[in-house]
Amino acid sequence: EVQLVESGGGLVQPGGSLRLSCAASGFTFSTYWMHWVRQTPGKGLVWVSRIFSDGSTTSYADSVKGRFTISRDNAKNTLFLQMNSLRAEDSGMYYCSRGSAYASSDYWGQGVLVTVSS
Amino acid sequence: DIQMTQSPSSLSASVGDRVTITCRASQSIHSHLNWYQHKPGKPPKLLIYGASSLQSGVPSRFSGSGSGTDFTLTISSLQPEDFATYYCQQTYSAPLTFGGGTKVEIK
Repeated sequence: EVQLVESGGGLVQPGGSLRLSCAASGFTFSTYWMHWVRQTPGKGLVWVSRIFSDGSTTSYADSVKGRFTISRDNAKNTLFLQMNSLRAEDSGMYYCSRGSAYASSDYWGQGVLVTVSS
Repeated sequence: DIQMTQSPSSLSASVGDRVTITCRASQSIHSHLNWYQHKPGKPPKLLIYGASSLQSGVPSRFSGSGSGTDFTLTISSLQPEDFATYYCQQTYSAPLTFGGGTKVEIK
């Protein structure tokens, strides 16, 4: 069974940092692209970042470019999102997802909540 | 960046109704269009990928069509469990982008 479990969220002050993790199991992690997606009540779903299976290529939403870094450890079946210079608008539920055909997200974790507030 | 515009932003429908949601891309994305269903407190669920391919395990009342810039998600006969918010997503070029969502409510 495919499982994705996020961790690392919490409350952080503006300008602070957080590192999200996503532990994957039930599939060959090293052969799949992975995504991070944010959900906020006011703005719906927002794609945040993507990483190729071998970690060679990454992409980011304009709003997080230069502040967030996606990475992966294929030996430990874990995806990461390093979030720096956090802003209030970065708040929301962060989901990791597995990339599939047409770069769709076929499996999702349950999400981890990030709150940026003073 | 490619902008995705969904319409309507919300709709009210009854069980058994045929429901159509449209999504328009700001430039051609060929068939690189996916549809998701999202319910509160749960992760999104993939319904359709590649504009018209039904994801495994998704009921056949869901269908997708279109290519280029105009796409449609159709629910042929709305069921109680279908009340949710639906999103389109283009994956033709990064940054990948979602539409604003369509909330389907009970009439």
